[in-house]
Amino acid sequence: DQQVKQNSPSLSVQEGRISILNCDYTNSMFDYFLWYKKYPAEGPTFLISISSIKDKNEDGRFTVFLNKSAKHLSLHIVPSQPGDSAVYFCAASLNAGGTSYGKLTFGQGTILTVHP
Amino acid sequence: ETGVTQTPRHLVMGMTNKKSLKCEQHLGHNAMYWYKQSAKKPLELMFVYSLEERVENNSVPSRFSPECPNSSHLFLHLHTLQPEDSALYLCASSQDRSRGGVQETQYFGPGTRLLVL
Repeated sequence: DQQVKQNSPSLSVQEGRISILNCDYTNSMFDYFLWYKKYPAEGPTFLISISSIKDKNEDGRFTVFLNKSAKHLSLHIVPSQPGDSAVYFCAASLNAGGTSYGKLTFGQGTILTVHP
Repeated sequence: ETGVTQTPRHLVMGMTNKKSLKCEQHLGHNAMYWYKQSAKKPLELMFVYSLEERVENNSVPSRFSPECPNSSHLFLHLHTLQPEDSALYLCASSQDRSRGGVQETQYFGPGTRLLVL
């Protein structure tokens, strides 16, 4: 059973427009969420994170929204740029009394293509 | 060198070979991880070391044997692998403060692309 799901395998957006990447999770114990970006032949690069005590975190063009009641998070990229074209992974972790040392559960990834 | 480095970047091995993957982190972290990424699958956590002690072993076959000699280095020893073990193997590190209730971001290396023939 996959606890973190990215239901859109791919997304295509025009340069300058908004990209919205979605992620759903099933484990209500997750308390920390992250987005990573991955280019071919490279490892995932950390983008932005959010703690479960918040519903929004912003860093430049990237904003992550968390809806705990819906168990849903999204990543907004505004404005989108061709260099944003990559695979985006959401990940979730829980910190249950120190027994889950940085254990991340990843979604399958969404391929974002930003067209000039 | 900065961040997390992995060697080799590419590896082709036969099923009877023994090889090792190496990871080194230059971030001063105290936790290190091995992940496996197979085609069209999410990243799967294999092993976690915190303060050089293995704290997670996610039902990984014994043909994969991790080693963490110190907080900066992590190895994955491979022997008698199967073709289905062909994948991208990623190393990551973080500052483990889980006992203090603070989550820290994991930073990844570039990965080793492994092909088992």
